Amino acid sequence: EADIYQTPRYLVIGTGKKITLECSQTMGHDKMYWYQQDPGMELHLIHYSYGVNSTEKGDLSSESTVSRIRTEHFPLTLESARPSHTSQYLCATGLAGGGDTQYFGPGTRLTVL
Amino acid sequence: KQEVTQIPAALSVPEGENLVLNCSFTDSAIYNLQWFRQDPGKGLTSLLLIQSSQREQTSGRLNASLDKSSGRSTLYIAASQPGDSATYLCAVSVLYNNNDMRFGAGTRLTVKP
Repeated sequence: EADIYQTPRYLVIGTGKKITLECSQTMGHDKMYWYQQDPGMELHLIHYSYGVNSTEKGDLSSESTVSRIRTEHFPLTLESARPSHTSQYLCATGLAGGGDTQYFGPGTRLTVL
Repeated sequence: KQEVTQIPAALSVPEGENLVLNCSFTDSAIYNLQWFRQDPGKGLTSLLLIQSSQREQTSGRLNASLDKSSGRSTLYIAASQPGDSATYLCAVSVLYNNNDMRFGAGTRLTVKP
């Protein structure tokens, strides 16, 4: 069954640690996205990719980085986590061509102490 | 810049009531508008997608309307059930920015038995 996987689902770490949030998909979609969502707030796009070796920054300034070496994999890395990075991170995919819906993973809830 | 606003932020109704959720957006240059459902700690599930040329879409007890010229959409839920309790998010696909999406902050709905 086609799906989107995010690991870990929950992560509590100390300040200064390097972390990588994983997102993988079996949807076969070219487009992938990372959103950040604080409780009760709207989703903010932080990174997106339209295909292998394509990555762009979104509207919300983020200290994270992403890579897209394989179609199905779109990891997000924080080199040095800070309490301000505490949030929910949602990965999504979409078909090339635009105008279609996006499909969301279950999210990773990150807490930085 | 496209801004999406949802009113009310929270809504509590008794089971069986019909209800309307509101969404407004500032720029009518959209490709489509979508309504999503988000359960606590989970990702988003697409409920209805309305293309910019359409006026409404229906799925079961849900009906979404779109008035692009006035920048408004409504989500009508008929005969609400406790299982409808969730946060409902409105998102527009931005026509001039590779169809990327802008989200509202959502309406948190509670349906009491």
